[in-house]
Amino acid sequence: AQKVTQAQTEISVVEKEDVTLDCVYETRDTTYYLFWYKQPPSGELVFLIRRNSFDEQNEISGRYSWNFQKSTSSFNFTITASQVVDSAVYFCALSEASSYGQNFVFGPGTRLSVLP
Amino acid sequence: EPEVTQTPSHQVTQMGQEVILRCVPISNHLYFYWYRQILGQKVEFLVSFYNNEISEKSEIFDDQFSVERPDGSNFTLKIRSTKLEDSAMYFCASRSGTSDHEQYFGPGTRLTVT
Repeated sequence: AQKVTQAQTEISVVEKEDVTLDCVYETRDTTYYLFWYKQPPSGELVFLIRRNSFDEQNEISGRYSWNFQKSTSSFNFTITASQVVDSAVYFCALSEASSYGQNFVFGPGTRLSVLP
Repeated sequence: EPEVTQTPSHQVTQMGQEVILRCVPISNHLYFYWYRQILGQKVEFLVSFYNNEISEKSEIFDDQFSVERPDGSNFTLKIRSTKLEDSAMYFCASRSGTSDHEQYFGPGTRLTVT
């Protein structure tokens, strides 16, 4: 069974601090996909990144970086020099290739508040 | 850039009424999904749809729910007799069906049942 855990319910940081959001997943599949989405107060889901299980290379995109470690089943997300506009709920999600519909299983989300 | 659209953005209905939430997926996509997010909670999978039939559904997707693709462009979610607990944000998503496993989400419809 697939499961995604985001242990941090809420995080508050002061602007310009770095912050890491944790994501731990469970799956029996060898082929799977991991995602991060941002949900700002307006409610839409904003796609941030996709990673497949065969690509453990870490990725950096501007102030965002992702650390994928299969050995610990983790896919953590770091925001460097946080800004107030980063305040949102962040969801990690998992999709198994063997699942017929390949639906997403979302984690419970981490609410990030960046204070000025 | 193509995007998934959903209408209405907000729907208010009375308990026991039927509602239809509408989605227009990206035009060349083959897989369609509905997800639900109760306020303050996580996004939950409801149903996936491929080749004009349901491919997978969750426990949430009971007999009160149905989906269809009536005209080749719209993808609808019908709730037959709404309950208070159906109040949530409903997201539609579509996927191309190629090696790209990304799902493209619509902006959501906020359903309020009173």
